[in-house]
Amino acid sequence: TQLLEQSPQFLSIQEGENLTVYCNSSSVFSSLQWYRQEPGEGPVLLVTVVTGGEVKKLKRLTFQFGDARKDSSLHITAAQPGDTGLYLCAGGRGGADGLTFGKGTHLIIQP
Amino acid sequence: DSGVTQTPKHLITATGQRVTLRCSPRSGDLSVYWYQQSLDQGLQFLIQYYNGEERAKGNILERFSAQQFPDLHSELNLSSLELGDSALYFCASSVVAEPTDTQYFGPGTRLTVL
Repeated sequence: TQLLEQSPQFLSIQEGENLTVYCNSSSVFSSLQWYRQEPGEGPVLLVTVVTGGEVKKLKRLTFQFGDARKDSSLHITAAQPGDTGLYLCAGGRGGADGLTFGKGTHLIIQP
Repeated sequence: DSGVTQTPKHLITATGQRVTLRCSPRSGDLSVYWYQQSLDQGLQFLIQYYNGEERAKGNILERFSAQQFPDLHSELNLSSLELGDSALYFCASSVVAEPTDTQYFGPGTRLTVL
């Protein structure tokens, strides 16, 4: 059972366009993290959100945690080829546990 | 560079064999996590150690085991290998063990079982 569903699975758009990727669950998480992974490398943390309704901005990236702490979104404004990669959301629960990852969104930004 | 090191980078072996993957966490990090990444399952949490003690278990097979040593490096042992064990294995570390802690991932070990 995949606890975190990411959509879309694949997305290919032109440079300069905006996009949103989604991370949904029926479970509540104490935190939600977004990672970016490039081929042959480990995931790199972009942001952690912990409060329901929280919005964080990282340059052209905007992350939002749902009010019920079950879902999250990542919005990229004016996408650039350097944004290309695999975007992973991961949920953390209270107490000792590893992260639960979604399967990721493969994003390609074409020049 | 996350500061987490993993060796070897690539490993090719045959079914039925046993291998050991090694991870050195970032300096000062007490918690080590192991993950398996495959094309069909994505990133799956295997096991976590904190300051030498097992802290949490995820989807780890009985053929797999891990330990964390006094110097905080960790090893993941995979035995009786099957074709389906071919995957990327990542180690991550964090300062403590809270779910909101940032986990820093190593570059991974790519295991190919032939």
